[in-house]
Amino acid sequence: EDKVVQSPLSLVVHEGDTVTLNCSYEVTNFRSLLWYKQEKKAPTFLFMLTSSGIEKKSGRLSSILDKKELFSILNITATQTGDSAVYLCAPGSGGSNYKLTFGKGTLLTVNP
Amino acid sequence: EPEVTQTPSHQVTQMGQEVILRCVPISNHLYFYWYRQILGQKVEFLVSFYNNEISEKSEIFDDQFSVERPDGSNFTLKIRSTKLEDSAMYFCASSEVGRGDNSPLHFGNGTRLTVT
Repeated sequence: EDKVVQSPLSLVVHEGDTVTLNCSYEVTNFRSLLWYKQEKKAPTFLFMLTSSGIEKKSGRLSSILDKKELFSILNITATQTGDSAVYLCAPGSGGSNYKLTFGKGTLLTVNP
Repeated sequence: EPEVTQTPSHQVTQMGQEVILRCVPISNHLYFYWYRQILGQKVEFLVSFYNNEISEKSEIFDDQFSVERPDGSNFTLKIRSTKLEDSAMYFCASSEVGRGDNSPLHFGNGTRLTVT
């Protein structure tokens, strides 16, 4: 059975702090790993990672994948209150029957 | 930026009734999905759809569920006879291609289904 474990499950920080969110996975026929930010409703796409060791960056957010250790991290530097959300890790598996398997998420709270 | 749109945002129905949840995927996307999230739980895959056929479905997607692309823009999820345990947020998603190498899934805002 496919498995995705995110840690920590929740995290409270102050504005300006740097956070690292972790995701380990075991999925059959792995293709890619996606990170999403979920505030009230829709998961909003952040990153898609397919190759090991290549960091993807978008502003203060960055992410990297280790396909040997089956692990990914999402970093957020200089956190802001607007970063408060649930961050979801979702490895994708399959070919023409591609699907995402989601973790439980990390609830990040950034206090002013 | 193009969006996946879902209607209604909230649907309340009685047990045993049929519901249809509607989605308009992003216009140049070819692969469509339904996921659901029971309150406090993980987002779970239900079904994927391409070229007017189901590509993959999960164990949750039993005979009570069906999907359809009735025209060139809409993608629907029908639950034939709702049960209390069908209460959840249902998300529609679409992607440009389906192999997952370079085309992320984009999600709609969801329909909250409440079965009483």
